[in-house]
Amino acid sequence: SQQGEEDPQALSIQEGENATMNCSYKTSINNLQWYRQNSGRGLVHLILIRSNEREKHSGRLRVTLDTSKKSSSLLITASRAADTASYFCAGLRGFKTIFGAGTRLFVKA
Amino acid sequence: GAGVSQSPRYKVAKRGQDVALRCDPISGHVSLFWYQQALGQGPEFLTYFQNEAQLDKSGLPSDRFFAERPEGSVSTLKIQRTQQEDSAVYLCASSPFEGTTIYEQYFGPGTRLTVT
Repeated sequence: SQQGEEDPQALSIQEGENATMNCSYKTSINNLQWYRQNSGRGLVHLILIRSNEREKHSGRLRVTLDTSKKSSSLLITASRAADTASYFCAGLRGFKTIFGAGTRLFVKA
Repeated sequence: GAGVSQSPRYKVAKRGQDVALRCDPISGHVSLFWYQQALGQGPEFLTYFQNEAQLDKSGLPSDRFFAERPEGSVSTLKIQRTQQEDSAVYLCASSPFEGTTIYEQYFGPGTRLTVT
């Protein structure tokens, strides 16, 4: 019943490389968020992009949103081993936050 | 400052037992959410409270699931007659925002429920 679908499901890269994760969603949502989850810090909010924005940056994170294609991408530049985690896109619909199934990122040192 | 806390962190229940999971949100946060996360999946919405009012319980999978937040702070998720398919991590989140303007949520560490 999850709305978002992340692609790829799993990604393994070397430290220093960039990581790109994509998210597609089925129905209209109010804004889109990305979260990170690892065993050490649990689920943490990374960045929000509003429906009327096309691109947003925060540190090493870059998020794009294409509402016509109902898709978003998260780019992590100059990845570090500490970026190893699962990344989820999430959309707000009414009171609900709908999460995708996530991309599992593994950054090798 | 203190974040969202949940207790217990781990719970093993025999099938048919009732369980109660507790969430202590960040002080002053108006909104509180419960999610269920199966292994390898994203969190799935269960229910939403704005203060003490349960405004959305559409994600509760059956009438065996019940949540309350009687004084608008601490919340309890109760599962009656647990089944094996209830095994999951139950996450609680809070937010200082209300209703449909909620953006960032602050998550607790979760309670891992295993039903044997």
